[in-house]
Amino acid sequence: AQKVTQAQTEISVVEKEDVTLDCVYETRDTTYYLFWYKQPPSGELVFLIRRNSFDEQNEISGRYSWNFQKSTSSFNFTITASQVVDSAVYFCALYRGSTLGRLYFGRGTQLTVWP
Amino acid sequence: DVKVTQSSRYLVKRTGEKVFLECVQDMDHENMFWYRQDPGLGLRLIYFSYDVKMKEKGDIPEGYSVSREKKERFSLILESASTNQTSMYLCASSPDRGYEQYFGPGTRLTVT
Repeated sequence: AQKVTQAQTEISVVEKEDVTLDCVYETRDTTYYLFWYKQPPSGELVFLIRRNSFDEQNEISGRYSWNFQKSTSSFNFTITASQVVDSAVYFCALYRGSTLGRLYFGRGTQLTVWP
Repeated sequence: DVKVTQSSRYLVKRTGEKVFLECVQDMDHENMFWYRQDPGLGLRLIYFSYDVKMKEKGDIPEGYSVSREKKERFSLILESASTNQTSMYLCASSPDRGYEQYFGPGTRLTVT
């Protein structure tokens, strides 16, 4: 069963548009962590953010922001004023507190930002 | 700075060959992971290790084995390579449970 769902397979936007990448997760654990990764065309996955299940505060880092809502089991990622360099595949992932350490990854969203 | 290295960026092997993919991390991390990445399927976990000589199967362990004799090194072994193992292989490490994983650059393996 899919534990992390990224329903958007591909998104295309024009530079300077805002874009939101959706992530819905599934777990019965009370302690868990959520992550976002970026995979640019070069291929190497880059860690962006880690949030624990007890902290529902939204986070902002420059043009990036994350909205964590336990009520809807979602951890969405918004890029404000997108740039061509934001073009990448973005993965959402879940660590469930009852497991040994593995992450469950979504299938990723390919974001293309056109100039 | 965090560093995970993989022995090859590109590898071409023949069907039936035994293939070794090496991964080394220099961060003294406890956990190490092997994934394969295929278009449309995202990252799928093959095996992971939470301590030296300890290993756990992931979601797709068939046709693979692993070895972790030293903390910093985690090897993925394809006992008899097949064409359906053509893929991008990614290694990662993390300091402990629940922490972010750091990824290597990947090995693109082609089995002909």
